[in-house]
Amino acid sequence: GAGVSQSPSNKVTEKGKDVELRCDPISGHTALYWYRQSLGQGLEFLIYFQGNSAPDKSGLPSDRFSAERTGGSVSTLTIQRTQQEDSAVYLCASSFRPVRTGELFFGEGSRLTVL
Amino acid sequence: SQQGEEDPQALSIQEGENATMNCSYKTSINNLQWYRQNSGRGLVHLILIRSNEREKHSGRLRVTLDTSKKSSSLLITASRAADTASYFCATDDRYNQGGKLIFGQGTELSVKP
Repeated sequence: GAGVSQSPSNKVTEKGKDVELRCDPISGHTALYWYRQSLGQGLEFLIYFQGNSAPDKSGLPSDRFSAERTGGSVSTLTIQRTQQEDSAVYLCASSFRPVRTGELFFGEGSRLTVL
Repeated sequence: SQQGEEDPQALSIQEGENATMNCSYKTSINNLQWYRQNSGRGLVHLILIRSNEREKHSGRLRVTLDTSKKSSSLLITASRAADTASYFCATDDRYNQGGKLIFGQGTELSVKP
């Protein structure tokens, strides 16, 4: 595709429910990143994929959060038993080159609201 | 914890004026990048400066990097109302081969017509 695509763009859920957020990176980009941005805040790193493996999961806030990537392409971020503090915009980004030499391309984000 | 810290947190200027934003970071880096975020949108890459570079220009943007002070600045010259956005610096970690970018808290720029 032309850019990084994320879905849904908006999700409202009830506390305790599970949610899945999807990211479709730019074709050919081997690296994929998930970040979280709370209202008016900076970006909090969650997880990074190189191909289908996740060398760095250090940012996942708790074991309720998990992510996978299949076929070196689409990634899904799953939040189980959602809590109100999970409300945020979840941003996905992809890159062709390693970040020590190249830039990230971001999607528009998935805004999650937990009631 | 976040790598970068930016100041000011918010900046309001008149069209035509210059805007300067500063970023400090903690570890040794390969490069430092600046991104822009319009309200409710994703981030867009503006410029990348390598650790062996001291200054870089792109259009109305000028970035400086001082690795001895672990700091960078972004200057936007002759600002326009369309420059209104949040600006973030981001750094990698030279000793982390995993290659993630750590973002600062951002500077919210408002350019008044």
